[in-house]
Amino acid sequence: GAVVSQHPSRVICKSGTSVKIECRSLDFQATTMFWYRQFPKQSLMLMATSNEGSKATYEQGVEKDKFLINHASLTLSTLTVTSAHPEDSSFYICSARLDRGIETQYFGPGTRLLVL
Amino acid sequence: GENVEQHPSTLSVQEGDSAVIKCTYSDSASNYFPWYKQELGKRPQLIIDIRSNVGEKKDQRIAVTLNKTAKHFSLHITETQPEDSAVYFCAASIGGNTPLVFGKGTRLSVIA
Repeated sequence: GAVVSQHPSRVICKSGTSVKIECRSLDFQATTMFWYRQFPKQSLMLMATSNEGSKATYEQGVEKDKFLINHASLTLSTLTVTSAHPEDSSFYICSARLDRGIETQYFGPGTRLLVL
Repeated sequence: GENVEQHPSTLSVQEGDSAVIKCTYSDSASNYFPWYKQELGKRPQLIIDIRSNVGEKKDQRIAVTLNKTAKHFSLHITETQPEDSAVYFCAASIGGNTPLVFGKGTRLSVIA
């Protein structure tokens, strides 16, 4: 099946620093990737839709200057949490669609971010 | 936009019994309905999905039913096993490049 990887799996950083999270589709090309945030014991909250070669589409309430998304190739999307604060601590998960017209999404293993 | 409601939020069953989780959606244009299983600290795993041109789909002990008129779909797990214990999420989308909208999840506990 389709494999999506994420790096790093967990990161601890000081308040005010920026953190970059990578999402890769390992055995397929993904023109569209999605970034989610998940708080403990809660559902997945969509943050943004990442489209290869164009600007990401952010959900209402998500600051695009705070959460920078770059989808520079068909297999890689990155999420940068800029000037991270403790309230940004969360589980960040990406997903990728197989291809246009096929809705199936496969999730990465997630990145646990802790901001001190 | 789409809104997906999921019930119950928690469900406990005895090993060997069946478990049913129900979801409703609001957008009649939605046509794709996947179910994901998420174990603690891990990624959501797709376990089954159904498209709007089908009323029921089965894969071994797992089945999903869809009622387009009532705008609800359900996950059925038969002969439950302890390893079925996890959080299950339903989702809906209108297809194309649109993202999935998730329900709030159901924490299933299978008691041995």
